Amino acid sequence: ETGVTQSPTHLIKTRGQQVTLRCSSQSGHNTVSWYQQALGQGPQFIFQYYREEENGRGNFPPRFSGLQFPNYSSELNVNALELDDSALYLCASRLGYRGGAMGGYTFGSGTRLTVV
Amino acid sequence: AQTVTQSQPEMSVQEAETVTLSCTYDTSESDYYLFWYKQPPSRQMILVIRQEAYKQQNATENRFSVNFQKAAKSFSLKISDSQLGDAAMYFCASFYGGATNKLIFGTGTLLAVQP
Repeated sequence: ETGVTQSPTHLIKTRGQQVTLRCSSQSGHNTVSWYQQALGQGPQFIFQYYREEENGRGNFPPRFSGLQFPNYSSELNVNALELDDSALYLCASRLGYRGGAMGGYTFGSGTRLTVV
Repeated sequence: AQTVTQSQPEMSVQEAETVTLSCTYDTSESDYYLFWYKQPPSRQMILVIRQEAYKQQNATENRFSVNFQKAAKSFSLKISDSQLGDAAMYFCASFYGGATNKLIFGTGTLLAVQP
């Protein structure tokens, strides 16, 4: 059973650029969530995908968007990068839409994005 | 608003000793779950222990146990026989189904284990 894998592990971008982060969910998991973790803070929920549709979104602007593919892998896209977007981006997967929390979230090791 | 508060930014414990990390949460929901996650320098969030709100019995996982006080909205983590490998950032988190359907994290407690 493979866990959650994220790529790339580190990334440096320039302000105003666009970035795509990728996540492969754990085998059998059909729900993927993305979190932003600023330095010294707890993760903040960005959005969640269930069976290729967004089914929850946190307080992030529209320039944060995502996709989920038929194999349940996912992408996080951020347009018009700002300096404050520098953070660790975590992907988490689980089985189930609602009430599946006790099945547990499996997290990846994250992508460290630095915007200069 | 649903919030999770960890009031101890840093804690230190001697190897083999016991340490308790504090967490409080605020919600009007009746059905929810609570978690403690460990984040070592490898950055991956690792689930330490979880608790269903409807269960009165405190969860235990080997050296890790919780003290769940539902009325006080308190959810502390006790680590017994601390080991060097326990050194990490620990996050308390809550999950609510329904419209929320997401994990809400506290700001974390950095645990140092002294040999």
